Amino acid sequence: AQTVTQSQPEMSVQEAETVTLSCTYDTSESDYYLFWYKQPPSRQMILVIRQEAYKQQNATENRFSVNFQKAAKSFSLKISDSQLGDAAMYFCAYTGANSKLTFGKGITLSVRP
Amino acid sequence: DAGVTQSPTHLIKTRGQQVTLRCSPKSGHDTVSWYQQALGQGPQFIFQYYEEEERQRGNFPDRFSGHQFPNYSSELNVNALLLGDSALYLCASSLEGAGLHVLTFGAGSRLTVL
Repeated sequence: AQTVTQSQPEMSVQEAETVTLSCTYDTSESDYYLFWYKQPPSRQMILVIRQEAYKQQNATENRFSVNFQKAAKSFSLKISDSQLGDAAMYFCAYTGANSKLTFGKGITLSVRP
Repeated sequence: DAGVTQSPTHLIKTRGQQVTLRCSPKSGHDTVSWYQQALGQGPQFIFQYYEEEERQRGNFPDRFSGHQFPNYSSELNVNALLLGDSALYLCASSLEGAGLHVLTFGAGSRLTVL
């Protein structure tokens, strides 16, 4: 079975600074996708960034980028130029051939003005 | 373009009762998945529906059942409610094929069991 581990329950960052959220996963599959989702107090899960395992290049979306280390099964999210609106729960998630998402426990990110 | 719509947004039930939650997928999507998110936890996969059939299921008891209608909307039913069923229930839709891994989530239905 696949597992996703987010070991940091909370992080805090100063506005305009950079923060990195950690995630590790375990799988025996060779073809899979990894995701970071943001869940603000409004509860709606919003896709931040997606990485296909077969792509060596790290995904980027504006201020968000990932460091995908396939051999180490590590998938961290870097948020640059942090904004107050980035404050939320962030979930790392995995999906393989069966298309069901396996989520980590999440991390609460707070942004200090 | 309407996203995923879920109803009701909040509801309170007592132990032993039954509940039905509803989901309308994003326009153009044909696959619906349901997730349970306990407070302070990540969502857990309940089941997925495609072409009105349950295609795969997570580790949930038979008290949890679902349905998908010809218009792709879906219902989640939970019978004999337990206190532990209190959670946020999220519906997510996607498009079979190349878009299957790109999920759009609704805002969820918050169920409280007393």
